[in-house]
Amino acid sequence: NAGVTQTPKFQVLKTGQSMTLQCAQDMNHNSMYWYRQDPGMGLRLIYYSASEGTTDKGEVPNGYNVSRLNKREFSLRLESAAPSQTSVYFCASSDLDRGHRQETQYFGPGTRLLVL
Amino acid sequence: GESVGLHLPTLSVQEGDNSIINCAYSNSASDYFIWYKQESGKGPQFIIDIRSNMDKRQGQRVTVLLNKTVKHLSLQIAATQPGDSAVYFCAENIYGNNRLAFGKGNQVVVIP
Repeated sequence: NAGVTQTPKFQVLKTGQSMTLQCAQDMNHNSMYWYRQDPGMGLRLIYYSASEGTTDKGEVPNGYNVSRLNKREFSLRLESAAPSQTSVYFCASSDLDRGHRQETQYFGPGTRLLVL
Repeated sequence: GESVGLHLPTLSVQEGDNSIINCAYSNSASDYFIWYKQESGKGPQFIIDIRSNMDKRQGQRVTVLLNKTVKHLSLQIAATQPGDSAVYFCAENIYGNNRLAFGKGNQVVVIP
């Protein structure tokens, strides 16, 4: 099992450019998440998808859109990149146990994005 | 790699000593807790978890203690090794909520 994979690993954009960050998981998890991580800020939730076909906003959704393409894949799109979106982006996935209790989230290796 | 540990509390530990990392959580309704380890340039890695019906749980060289009375969680690492140098952070969850709330983390530096 590869777990959670993310592409690309690194990206440099100019202000106003668009791009899509890709995420896939092979653990058959229902829930998937996108976070950004900035120094001293911890992990902040951008969007999440509790199950295939649903998406919800997190703490910092502005400037981003998401697509839950199928159960495996969850993409994050920046339509018009801004320098404030320079960050490290992590995708994660998780599931519920038989008692519908949250289980741990497993993270991908991250995408390092620089917006000039 | 980038410094996710910038401005974080730092614990310096001698190799071979035990480490204790603390986390205060905010929501008394939280019933599931996770410790993650993040090495420089990598994604967070699951270490150990505990549910609120337990006070203590042990893994390989790690122990998590939960004190619900004072809303405190700790991670103990036995015989700390250089490979344990990383940022450690806790996360909490409330039953019925798909989301985790993450702490900002503690930087652990192991001195050889």
